[in-house]
Formats: sequence, C-alpha cells, structure tokens
Amino acid sequence: DTEVTQTPKHLVMGMTNKKSLKCEQHMGHRAMYWYKQKAKKPPELMFVYSYEKLSINESVPSRFSPECPNSSLLNLHLHALQPEDSALYLCASSQPALAETTGELFFGEGSRLTVL
Amino acid sequence: QKEVEQDPGPLSVPEGAIVSLNCTYSNSAFQYFMWYRQYSRKGPELLMYTYSSGNKEDGRFTAQVDKSSKYISLFIRDSQPSDSATYLCAMYNFNKFYFGSGTKLNVKP
Repeated sequence: DTEVTQTPKHLVMGMTNKKSLKCEQHMGHRAMYWYKQKAKKPPELMFVYSYEKLSINESVPSRFSPECPNSSLLNLHLHALQPEDSALYLCASSQPALAETTGELFFGEGSRLTVL
Repeated sequence: QKEVEQDPGPLSVPEGAIVSLNCTYSNSAFQYFMWYRQYSRKGPELLMYTYSSGNKEDGRFTAQVDKSSKYISLFIRDSQPSDSATYLCAMYNFNKFYFGSGTKLNVKP
C-alpha cells in the first residue's frame, strides 16, 4: 500500500464550485508535489513544495491554488475549473527535499477529478 | 527533442516471456533513474531505482543503465498476467523529475 494518502479518490464538480484535494504523508519527506495526468499520458508537474515553501510553479492557471500547511500535508484548492481540467491528480513526495533527494519519488493513488 | 523518449507500445507477450522495456534520454547530467508501474486508474508505483550506471536486480525485475549510450532498460523475467500495466521510466536532475510517455504491456495467459 502507498504511504502517500490522497482524498477524495473521486470528485465531480461544476465549473462554479470550490473544492479541495488533500494529500498526507508520514515518511518524513520534505518535498511534496502535485502532478496532473491525462489518459495515456505521463504525469505533468504542477507544483513543488520544499520544506513547506513553494519552490516550483509550472505556470499553472490561478484556478489551481496549492497549500502546504505543514510538512505532512499538501492541499490543492480548486475554483472555477474548466471541463479540460478533468484528469487524475497525483500527489507525490520525496526524501528529504528537492535539492537533496535520492531520486525516489513516491506517489499516492490519485484523485480522479471530473469537471462538468 | 524530448528529454526522455519511450516507445508507447502496446507490447503484447505470452505469459512466461522475458520482457524488455527501454528509454533513451538526452541530458547527460541525469544520475538517478527510476521505473514506475502504473495500473489502470491508479497512481504510479515505484518499481526500481538506480543511481548512475550499472545493473540492479529485484526478484523478476532487472534495471540496467548505460550512461555512455544514454539508454536505460527494464527486464521482466517469467512475465505474469499481473504484470500487465503501463511502465514509465523517469529520471531526476536538480529540481525536476522527467518522465517517459510510458509503455503499455499486456501479458496474455
């Protein structure tokens, strides 16, 4: 079983809704990531937090807003999404932090988002 | 040119076959090389991890890295239907992970 836990597993939302995806890890990792994955495509990096600070934002639209409340938690706040934002959203973590990682990235099971 | 190239397949083999999955890359600075297995509608699972060149074996799986050719491979021996999944190679360089597009493998009983 993965040690990165994501909730909810499935989410359906309208374009005017506000929702959040949550991610938790207890491996002591200090780098946490959000990826977006469309069908039959590799994961696409969205955000990276290193030591609870946003270190990489891959020019993601502002309707996606990340938050890292502490070293174990990562949230992705969603607002005014478009149908093309429907995808599998993956949280991942690595040890110990971005510049020091051994290169092992651990993913959660993902949150499958459908925007109507 | 993409940083990491991977044949998308699909690759279909009979049960018990030896499977060879491959990726090429362009950035000679890559030092960390990973293989992930992803079942349909699930998150990727770290399968093998290798630092620099050489081989690494874990059960039925062997990962090889040839940095001189910028080429990495994953071999699966005695393949099983449960190995049917998409296999993603990945590489790490300061700040970012780079993924191949994934190879879909189907092992037929």
